[in-house]
Amino acid sequence: VLTQSPGTLSVSPGERASLSCRASQSVFRNYVAWYQQKTGQAPRLLIYDASNRATGIPDRFSGTGSGTDFTLTISGLETEDGGMYYCQQYGRSPVTFGGGTKVQI
Amino acid sequence: QVQLVQSGSELRQPGASVRLSCKASGYNFHSHYINWVRQARGQGLEWLGTINPNDGSIDFAPTFPGRISMTRDTSTTTAFLALYSLRLEDTGVYYCVRGRGGSDSEAYDVWGQGTEVTVSS
Repeated sequence: VLTQSPGTLSVSPGERASLSCRASQSVFRNYVAWYQQKTGQAPRLLIYDASNRATGIPDRFSGTGSGTDFTLTISGLETEDGGMYYCQQYGRSPVTFGGGTKVQI
Repeated sequence: QVQLVQSGSELRQPGASVRLSCKASGYNFHSHYINWVRQARGQGLEWLGTINPNDGSIDFAPTFPGRISMTRDTSTTTAFLALYSLRLEDTGVYYCVRGRGGSDSEAYDVWGQGTEVTVSS
């Protein structure tokens, strides 16, 4: 089980946001990903393997963590960064997702 | 470019079945697993399962015992998801997604546009 916190995060442009994802047991090989989803769109991969940025993702997005605790940090928030953010573990079957954090700019 | 194009919206009655398709293009179909993820309206993401494009082997989520099947047609680079004995709670958007690398443990780097399935009497 992946637990994301906070449920909602209200931030201003230029600020930094930290999103937490906590696993109920250690994630195999830290196979954790982060996705951004905007209303009416499919999710977009931001981070894979806990800390690697996906192709085309700005460097203001960064992922850290290992074991059971993972964090997505968005530095210098821009208005376009608003949306839902989900973490995912894909180290063991079944693949699971966190419940999401809503980022309001 | 790399893309997954899914079939159109479906409306079914409870107890019926539905088959969704996902056409892959722009990459070697054999090099990436295809996964299926669904999302109820206003809810989070739920993994349904994954299919190996080479041998067709499947790993299903345990929450769908006997109600789901996945196949692929390598000649048309298309993956299929079938869901049986549909329930009202199966209503949602179904996404096919590509695993980033060549194993069954990968993040999902390409997403289809989603297929809306509505189960209603």
